[in-house]
Amino acid sequence: SQKIEQNSEALNIQEGKTATLTCNYTNYSPAYLQWYRQDPGRGPVFLLLIRENEKEKRKERLKVTFDTTLKQSLFHITASQPADSATYLCALSLGGYNKLIFGAGTRLAVHP
Amino acid sequence: DAEITQSPRHKITETGRQVTLACHQTWNHNNMFWYRQDLGHGLRLIHYSYGVHDTNKGEVSDGYSVSRSNTEDLPLTLESAASSQTSVYFCASSDLDKHTDTQYFGPGTRLTVL
Repeated sequence: SQKIEQNSEALNIQEGKTATLTCNYTNYSPAYLQWYRQDPGRGPVFLLLIRENEKEKRKERLKVTFDTTLKQSLFHITASQPADSATYLCALSLGGYNKLIFGAGTRLAVHP
Repeated sequence: DAEITQSPRHKITETGRQVTLACHQTWNHNNMFWYRQDLGHGLRLIHYSYGVHDTNKGEVSDGYSVSRSNTEDLPLTLESAASSQTSVYFCASSDLDKHTDTQYFGPGTRLTVL
């Protein structure tokens, strides 16, 4: 069956450290993998996208890697801050099908 | 600035009543989506539309319907509300011409069915 898995347990880290979140998938061949941020009581907000032929993408303190052999994406936040505390969702796009398939999300808590 | 809005933000209703949740976007996007989000399940797709007069069922469409009479709006109707439909509902839109399928979300509607 097709699945997207993110760590269901919250990730707690100290301010200034690097947070690493994982997204694993099975039985999909995504053209793109996207990461979204969701704050409590709000809708998800798009952060970053990486294409199937890209290994790594960076945007300010954010870095995403995409390994299509392992069927895994890692999402890194360097020099984390309490304001980075949120739930982070990964989503697969099969490209041209106009739909996304979302993981359940991982909650990140950055402590001062 | 373009945006996507949902109303109401909170709704309490009784079992068996018909409820309609509104979604309005000013992005001029062709694609619009309705999701529900429950603890432990993430976002689950209810219905979606690729343009005016087009509607499609998602993975959890039973008990819900949508209609698309213009580009900006995709209202979601619960024909006879059930307690299992208590959830947070999100509307989203995306640009048909962008193969990345990046979606823009509304703020959500929290629905409670008593």
